[in-house]
Amino acid sequence: NAGVTQTPKFQVLKTGQSMTLQCAQDMNHEYMSWYRQDPGMGLRLIHYSVGAGITDQGEVPNGYNVSRSTTEDFPLRLLSAAPSQTSVYFCASSFDLNYGYTFGSGTRLTVV
Amino acid sequence: GENVEQHPSTLSVQEGDSAVIKCTYSDSASNYFPWYKQELGKRPQLIIDIRSNVGEKKDQRIAVTLNKTAKHFSLHITETQPEDSAVYFCAARNTGTASKLTFGTGTRLQVTL
Repeated sequence: NAGVTQTPKFQVLKTGQSMTLQCAQDMNHEYMSWYRQDPGMGLRLIHYSVGAGITDQGEVPNGYNVSRSTTEDFPLRLLSAAPSQTSVYFCASSFDLNYGYTFGSGTRLTVV
Repeated sequence: GENVEQHPSTLSVQEGDSAVIKCTYSDSASNYFPWYKQELGKRPQLIIDIRSNVGEKKDQRIAVTLNKTAKHFSLHITETQPEDSAVYFCAARNTGTASKLTFGTGTRLQVTL
């Protein structure tokens, strides 16, 4: 049982490049979310999903796309990277709304 | 949407003392309140949670209290130890209508010897 797996752990992008941050969980959790963490701003919700085929926007969705074709996977796509997207990205999942999230180990992204 | 405010942003206590972190929330329908601990360079980890039908919950040296009328909840750590040093986040969610979990901005707790 690996929990929530995120890849890559570190990434440097040039402005304008695109990339996909991968997230997979093997706990059969329905609820998955992507957060970004910036100093002094806590964890801000980018997108979330309540099950395969269902996604919705969070607090800071601009510049990011998601899809949920399977229960296990919830990739986050950066369409055209900008320096403002330099951050640590966390994927998280939970079995039920009445339970807390399990977080992945994070992806540290730098956009130059 | 939900807004969660957390205070203080930094807290320094001596080993053995108690630490209290406070959060307020805006959505009166929120009914699930978890707390996370994040050590430097690590992922946030759930340490305790409370639901709105309960006023207080304890787990060894950690306790959480909830005041629904005032819309605030607090984390209490007793007999603090150096390994309690971390950033702590509160969060809130309305499990009836929304699956979004909204976080506070975090409290950096430093336990000094």
